[in-house]
Amino acid sequence: EVQLLESGGGLVQPGGSLRLSCADSGFTFSNYAMSWVRQAPGKGLEWVSAISASGVNTYYADSVKGRFTISRDNSKNTLYLQMNSLRAEDTAVYYCAKDLYGGSSGAGFDYWGQGTLVTVSS
Amino acid sequence: QSALTQPASVSGSPGQSITISCTGTSSDVGSYYLVSWYQQHPGKAPKLMIYEVTKRPSGVSNRFSGSKSGNTASLKISGLQAEDEADYYCCSYAGSTTFDVFGTGTKVTVL
Repeated sequence: EVQLLESGGGLVQPGGSLRLSCADSGFTFSNYAMSWVRQAPGKGLEWVSAISASGVNTYYADSVKGRFTISRDNSKNTLYLQMNSLRAEDTAVYYCAKDLYGGSSGAGFDYWGQGTLVTVSS
Repeated sequence: QSALTQPASVSGSPGQSITISCTGTSSDVGSYYLVSWYQQHPGKAPKLMIYEVTKRPSGVSNRFSGSKSGNTASLKISGLQAEDEADYYCCSYAGSTTFDVFGTGTKVTVL
């Protein structure tokens, strides 16, 4: 059974940093691209960042470019999101999501974690 | 990276069919057959309903179908059931620079 388990969310002050993790099991992690998608309270889904199966290629939404860094450790089946210079508008539930295919397909996300809440507030 | 445009709400009676539109541009929906649709119940993670415009993942009811014409993709739900009441989001690949963009979301109400 495929499972994605996010952790690392919490309350952080504006300008602060946080690192999210997503521990994955039930599939060959190193074969699939992965993404982070967020959802602000009461709002819609927003794609944040993606990383290819190998980790060589990374992609970011303009809203987080230069502040967030996506990475993965295929030996630990874990996806990460390092978030720096956090702003109030980054407050959201952050989901990790598995791509349908390997590489960086952009084809869609067939499995999602339960999400971890990040609150940026003083 | 502007969000794709969806109607805020769509409603229908049990057994009826409804269609949700998802309008993008020639840089996203119009250029790729990589449109996916997600169902999200309150407090839950999104669930993939349609991928690559028309394909259904294993386990998803055949009451759900997808299509695309030009810059607009659509999700049709036939034989509407109470359990279909949820938020629905489209998503399109938008190239190697922008990658993915989601729609604004549609709340489906079963009357």
